[in-house]
Amino acid sequence: AQKITQTQPGMFVQEKEAVTLDCTYDTSDQSYGLFWYKQPSSGEMIFLIYQGSYDEQNATEGRYSLNFQKARKSANLVISASQLGDSAMYFCAMRRRGGGTSYGKLTFGQGTILTVHP
Amino acid sequence: IAGITQAPTSQILAAGRRMTLRCTQDMRHNAMYWYRQDLGLGLRLIHYSNTAGTTGKGEVPDGYSVSRANTDDFPLTLASAVPSQTSVYFCASSDRGRIETQYFGPGTRLLVL
Repeated sequence: AQKITQTQPGMFVQEKEAVTLDCTYDTSDQSYGLFWYKQPSSGEMIFLIYQGSYDEQNATEGRYSLNFQKARKSANLVISASQLGDSAMYFCAMRRRGGGTSYGKLTFGQGTILTVHP
Repeated sequence: IAGITQAPTSQILAAGRRMTLRCTQDMRHNAMYWYRQDLGLGLRLIHYSNTAGTTGKGEVPDGYSVSRANTDDFPLTLASAVPSQTSVYFCASSDRGRIETQYFGPGTRLLVL
């Protein structure tokens, strides 16, 4: 079974500063994918960034980067130069890769609410 | 239509009533999913479909059923709604590839009284 843990129910950051949202995972699979989604107050789920378990480099997408530490089973999201529009709920999720009945299904963490202060 | 649409946007339902949540995607994705979101629990998978004509059970399937008659549509049915099914329901779809990113619909807010 796969499990995602986000230990920070809420985080606060000053505008223009960087913030790290924690995510740890538990899996016995060798091949898996890790995702981060953003959910603003309007409710939609927005895909931010992806990291494959065999990717040698940490993923980056604009102001988002994923600090992937495979041995520690962590996949923290780093947001640089925070903006007011970054205030939202953030979810970490994991997917098994390869074949089988679990193929494609996401397991989500509980989420972290990020508030950006001006 | 662009992406995934869900209907209705919100609904208040009496316990014991039957309800179908609709989901349509226009991206020709093979796989589709239904999740429910509850406070403190994140999103949990209800049912999924890897391709038209096939479905499978997720983490919390009891009380729900799905069908996948074609690629675009993936309706979720509550046969006899109960208050514990009060939640926000998200439909998602993904293509086949290295990443298989799931793209989500706007959600349906359901209140069962």
